[in-house]
Amino acid sequence: DAGITQSPRHKVTETGTPVTLRCHQTENHRYMYWYRQDPGHGLRLIHYSYGVKDTDKGEVSDGYSVSRSKTEDFLLTLESATSSQTSVYFCAIAGQYTGELFFGEGSRLTVL
Amino acid sequence: TQLLEQSPQFLSIQEGENLTVYCNSSSVFSSLQWYRQEPGEGPVLLVTVVTGGEVKKLKRLTFQFGDARKDSSLHITAAQPGDTGLYLCAGKANFGNEKLTFGTGTRLTIIP
Repeated sequence: DAGITQSPRHKVTETGTPVTLRCHQTENHRYMYWYRQDPGHGLRLIHYSYGVKDTDKGEVSDGYSVSRSKTEDFLLTLESATSSQTSVYFCAIAGQYTGELFFGEGSRLTVL
Repeated sequence: TQLLEQSPQFLSIQEGENLTVYCNSSSVFSSLQWYRQEPGEGPVLLVTVVTGGEVKKLKRLTFQFGDARKDSSLHITAAQPGDTGLYLCAGKANFGNEKLTFGTGTRLTIIP
């Protein structure tokens, strides 16, 4: 196991409410990523981080923000959830030398 | 935005048959990875190819990187039910750029 956990694993919320997903790693890896997975789209990068307080946007960043105040935690926030943000969200960390991504088990978010 | 198109999107074949999955782009990638994902889990890395024309074998799975590093293929010989899953290709644009772009995915079902 790569030592990466996501919470919550499942969440149902209503449109307009804020939501925060947490990714925690025990590997001390520098790079962390948030992806969303939707049918027919594969995995799309939302935001990523290359160090504490160092983050950058991915291809589908609108409506999302991230924070990384500690090496081990990478938070994804939906300030005001919309139905189009219903998805499965995956956190990943990058292998130190191989570039391999290790994924968490995913967080299924439903916005009603 | 770099796009990776995978084909076919869905494939259902009988146990023992051979199959090929394709991953195509108009962009050049410095490296390309293949992942397999099972229901309720995150993707797991199968292989990384780096050199144009490179061929790697993993038991009954053969991966090839195109000469121009714009495309890749995954060939499975004598498919088994355990090969069932979602296969994702993922490309890295540049050396030192740690963003990975994922393909649209191929959902493979092997019928016993």
